[in-house]
Amino acid sequence: DVKVTQSSRYLVKRTGEKVFLECVQDMDHENMFWYRQDPGLGLRLIYFSYDVKMKEKGDIPEGYSVSREKKERFSLILESASTNQTSMYLCASSEAGANEKLFFGSGTQLSVL
Amino acid sequence: ELKVEQNPLFLSMQEGKNYTIYCNYSTTSDRLYWYRQDPGKSLESLFVLLSNGAVKQEGRLMASLDTKARLSTLHITAAVHDLSATYFCAVEGGKSGGSNYKLTFGKGTLLTVNP
Repeated sequence: DVKVTQSSRYLVKRTGEKVFLECVQDMDHENMFWYRQDPGLGLRLIYFSYDVKMKEKGDIPEGYSVSREKKERFSLILESASTNQTSMYLCASSEAGANEKLFFGSGTQLSVL
Repeated sequence: ELKVEQNPLFLSMQEGKNYTIYCNYSTTSDRLYWYRQDPGKSLESLFVLLSNGAVKQEGRLMASLDTKARLSTLHITAAVHDLSATYFCAVEGGKSGGSNYKLTFGKGTLLTVNP
């Protein structure tokens, strides 16, 4: 069974902290994505990666960075967390090529106080 | 810039009734996806629509795509309580780099089916 695992279900951090959100997939997928989900706004793409060490900005990359050192792992980094980054963060992966539906992790609810 | 609009955003239905959720998008795209999200859970793929006129059905849900009108519909037939969830459409926004495909999501339709 395909699996995308996010390391934490809930996180509480303080303003200014550096935050790491980890995501691991076991499907040997080339593509990995980080979205944030906010009520009334749907899902918005932060960053994506189509290969190891490759990354591209999504629609809202400001305040975030990513790291993909291994194919199966994609990390989202909040360099200095702010309250407006309180959100549900969803990691997803997909195969390369056509018809790439996304497989999502269960999400990390991040609260920045 | 690709924009994806769903309507309605909130839908309350009685069991046994039929209804349609609409997904409009602003630029040309050949691929459209529907996802379902149960409360407190993550998103699960429902349908992948790959060409004009594509129709997919599973159970009480049927999705169709009209690329000329830039419109997809998700039709619910004889709704049951188990269909209560948030439904998202997502449109492929274009290819960038190697073999990745960026998806732009609608805001979601919260469907509540009442007994």
